[in-house]
Amino acid sequence: SQQGEEDPQALSIQEGENATMNCSYKTSINNLQWYRQNSGRGLVHLILIRSNEREKHSGRLRVTLDTSKKSSSLLITASRAADTASYFCATDTGRRALTFGSGTRLQVQP
Amino acid sequence: NAGVTQTPKFQVLKTGQSMTLQCAQDMNHEYMSWYRQDPGMGLRLIHYSVGAGITDQGEVPNGYNVSRSTTEDFPLRLLSAAPSQTSVYFCASSYSTGYNEKLFFGSGTQLSVL
Repeated sequence: SQQGEEDPQALSIQEGENATMNCSYKTSINNLQWYRQNSGRGLVHLILIRSNEREKHSGRLRVTLDTSKKSSSLLITASRAADTASYFCATDTGRRALTFGSGTRLQVQP
Repeated sequence: NAGVTQTPKFQVLKTGQSMTLQCAQDMNHEYMSWYRQDPGMGLRLIHYSVGAGITDQGEVPNGYNVSRSTTEDFPLRLLSAAPSQTSVYFCASSYSTGYNEKLFFGSGTQLSVL
């Protein structure tokens, strides 16, 4: 089973609303990252949060990490139609590779 | 800047055929990797390399070979294509000697095996 599991699998909101997606993982991590994938394109790195951090901001993005619950959330504030994409969490567990979840598909209606 | 370049973008193979998916990066990254993406399953690691001459297996290596003769290139070879290898393949690289910080992805190769 996947190390990282996103929730919900799909999310539809109106432009201007906030979007929140969650990621749960099973084993201890060094860091957790969020990536965005537009349809038919490769993944783009959004933000990285380390295991000793609890919250991080980047523009309209806010990421939290709760290592006791083995979970993270990504909040996108004031969503735009251009935010429509799939969002993936990825965990660094100390192996020489990231482990990706199955993603949340976000649809922002104009 | 080109970043990570994958070719071809689309490919159709018959069962049993072999082919090589090309990946090149111009960022002097030591770490490169190949993932496959299947619907509802996220990305799964096939093979990775931490530098020229060094490769290792990922989660789903069977049916694939890799080599890393230069820092720039990391080709993925399908030895005898099977329908189960129908997928979208992504190559990624990283500048970090810790390997697992900020991957840069190519735009993918969509492969169909008939």
